[in-house]
Amino acid sequence: DGGITQSPKYLFRKEGQNVTLSCEQNLNHDAMYWYRQDPGQGLRLIYYSQIVNDFQKGDIAEGYSVSREKKESFPLTVTSAQKNPTAFYLCASSIYGRNANYGYTFGSGTRLTVV
Amino acid sequence: AQTVTQSQPEMSVQEAETVTLSCTYDTSENNYYLFWYKQPPSRQMILVIRQEAYKQQNATENRFSVNFQKAAKSFSLKISDSQLGDTAMYFCAFKDNNDMRFGAGTRLTVKP
Repeated sequence: DGGITQSPKYLFRKEGQNVTLSCEQNLNHDAMYWYRQDPGQGLRLIYYSQIVNDFQKGDIAEGYSVSREKKESFPLTVTSAQKNPTAFYLCASSIYGRNANYGYTFGSGTRLTVV
Repeated sequence: AQTVTQSQPEMSVQEAETVTLSCTYDTSENNYYLFWYKQPPSRQMILVIRQEAYKQQNATENRFSVNFQKAAKSFSLKISDSQLGDTAMYFCAFKDNNDMRFGAGTRLTVKP
C-alpha cells in the first residue's frame, strides 16, 4: 500500500544532541513537508520541498535542517540550536507542488522528547 | 498571511446526534481550497472533506458535510449520526497557492 512512513514513532534526545527524523513516501509525490504540532497551536510549517535537491524554510525553520536527495525521502534534523524541541512532528506529501490546491497525505508522526 | 480560527477548543456530542464544528478564515484571495482533517488518538491525520472556494455547492462525504459561507469566510463541519469512532481532534485548513494553514483544532468527544 502506498503511504508515508515516519520513524521512529518515539524519540528521546539529550540536551545538546542532534537527532534526525525519517520520512519516506512511496506515493510518487513531488512535494514534501514537515510540520510541528504543539497543544493548542495546530500545525506549523518547518520546511518544505517541491523537488529533489531543493527545499525552503517555513514559518519556524530555526534550529532545524532538512535534505531532499531522493524524491522518496525528506529527513528532518533537529539540531541543538532548537531551544524547545519537545513536540509531535508530522511529515506530509502532496502529488504536485505547493502551488497546487490538493490535500496533503500525512505520516503517523514522531513524538520527540528532550530528556 | 492567511489565518484560520477554530473557536471551540473542545466539544462533546452524544452518540447518534449531530454536531457542528466552526471554522473561520481570513484571506484576500478569491481562489482557494478548504479542508477538514481528523486526527484520532493514533495521531494519523486523515482528510475528511475538501471544499473548492469557486464552488457554491457544499461538499458532502457520507455523514460529513460542510456549510461554506464565502462572504462570511466561514467553513463549518457537520457530523451527522455521530459515532464513537468520530472521537478525535479536528483541524480546519486553508490553502491557496502557498502553504496550507491550519487552525488550532477542536477536540471532539462522542459519548455513548
